[in-house]
Amino acid sequence: GEQVEQRPPHLSVREGDSAVIICTYTDPNSYYFFWYKQEPGAGLQLLMKVFSSTEINEGQGFTVLLNKKDKQLSLNLTAAHPGDSAVYFCAVSEASGGNYKPTFGKGTSLVVHP
Amino acid sequence: GALVYQYPRRTICKSGTSMRMECQAVGFQATSVAWYRQSPQKTFELIALSTVNSAIKYEQNFTQEKFPISHPNLSFSSMTVLNAYLEDRGLYLCGARDPGHSDYTFGSGTRLLVI
Repeated sequence: GEQVEQRPPHLSVREGDSAVIICTYTDPNSYYFFWYKQEPGAGLQLLMKVFSSTEINEGQGFTVLLNKKDKQLSLNLTAAHPGDSAVYFCAVSEASGGNYKPTFGKGTSLVVHP
Repeated sequence: GALVYQYPRRTICKSGTSMRMECQAVGFQATSVAWYRQSPQKTFELIALSTVNSAIKYEQNFTQEKFPISHPNLSFSSMTVLNAYLEDRGLYLCGARDPGHSDYTFGSGTRLLVI
């Protein structure tokens, strides 16, 4: 089945710096890609959903890149601020079978220092 | 919009007892419901995927005998953790999806503490 590796497990940056989190996946049939943010004690907040056909996706304060050739998905937070401190998870799902169940990475704990 | 509510938000149960948690979808038809567990220091493991009018599919390491799931209609699902022990503690997340969407909407989770 699908396997998702996420790195780094921990990331510490200063306010205003960029922060990059990378996920690699194994299933070439993967079609949907997600980034979630989990704040302490909370559930999952969807940051962005990316389809297989789109390589560059701009969000508010971040960019998501999809490299299908290398089976890699990245989240780049530009100019991070302390409010971005949280655990970030990538997730990947495929369309076959119709269940779309996501497989999650292990998460990256991001700390942004003022 | 599509929302998923989970009850309770937090709960404590004694070792060896059981605990039921609920998942309510609002604003859409939850034909598929996925239950996940996030154990301390770990990622989200899929417990089972439930589709209305189909059998519930459990992942390896999770069984119906331990985590019975009910999905009686298009807005509600519940899961019970039977005979809970320390290794069952964590955040249980419910995600629901309707046929027109490719992604699951997640609730805030039920955090289970076993003492």
